[in-house]
Amino acid sequence: NAGVTQTPKFQVLKTGQSMTLQCAQDMNHNSMYWYRQDPGMGLRLIYYSASEGTTDKGEVPNGYNVSRLNKREFSLRLESAAPSQTSVYFCASRATTDTQYFGPGTRLTVL
Amino acid sequence: GESVGLHLPTLSVQEGDNSIINCAYSNSASDYFIWYKQESGKGPQFIIDIRSNMDKRQGQRVTVLLNKTVKHLSLQIAATQPGDSAVYFCADSTDSWGKFQFGAGTQVVVTP
Repeated sequence: NAGVTQTPKFQVLKTGQSMTLQCAQDMNHNSMYWYRQDPGMGLRLIYYSASEGTTDKGEVPNGYNVSRLNKREFSLRLESAAPSQTSVYFCASRATTDTQYFGPGTRLTVL
Repeated sequence: GESVGLHLPTLSVQEGDNSIINCAYSNSASDYFIWYKQESGKGPQFIIDIRSNMDKRQGQRVTVLLNKTVKHLSLQIAATQPGDSAVYFCADSTDSWGKFQFGAGTQVVVTP
C-alpha cells in the first residue's frame, strides 16, 4: 500500500514550456486534490475531483488544467509555464468523511 | 499559527517540555478539523482530527482542543522530542463539500 504517489519529484521548466504532474492513489478514495504550497503560506487548492469523472476549480485554478483519468489517477497540467508557478505541488486523496492523505510533493521551478 | 508573510511563526521548545500550537479559523460553518505535521522536504502528515461535536480529543502524546465560540484550535504535544521538529498546521472543512482551508503553519524547533 503506497498511499499517494507523485511524479516527478523535481522539475525545472523554461517559461512557456508545458508539463503534466502525475498523481496516483491506491486507497480507493473517491476524492482527489491538487494544491500548491508557497513559502509562508498555507496550502492553496488548485483543482479537485470529488469523484471519478468530475473536476472542479479551487482557489487558484488559472494556468492549470486537470484530468481525473480513473479512480486512481489525477493529473495536473501546466500548458504554458510561468515563473509565478514556481512552487511545491501536492496531490492528496480523501475517503468520504476522513482526513486527506498527501503525496510527497513535486518541486517545480520555472525559469 | 497565523501567517506573518514569508516567515512562519516559530515556537522553540526544550526537549521534554510540552508544546502548545495555536490556530484560528474563520468559517463558523466548519465542522471538521485536522492537525498536520510537515517535515522539511516532505508532504503533510496527519496527526489528529476532531469534529465539531467534541471539544477535546487525545491521541498518542497529542491533544487537540477546539473552541468553537472563538473559532480557535490548539494542538498540545506532550514531552516534546527532537523528532517533533517540523511545521505544524491546521485545516478546517465542512464535510458537505470536502474542501479544506489550511493555515500557514507554525515552525516548531526542539532544542536539547
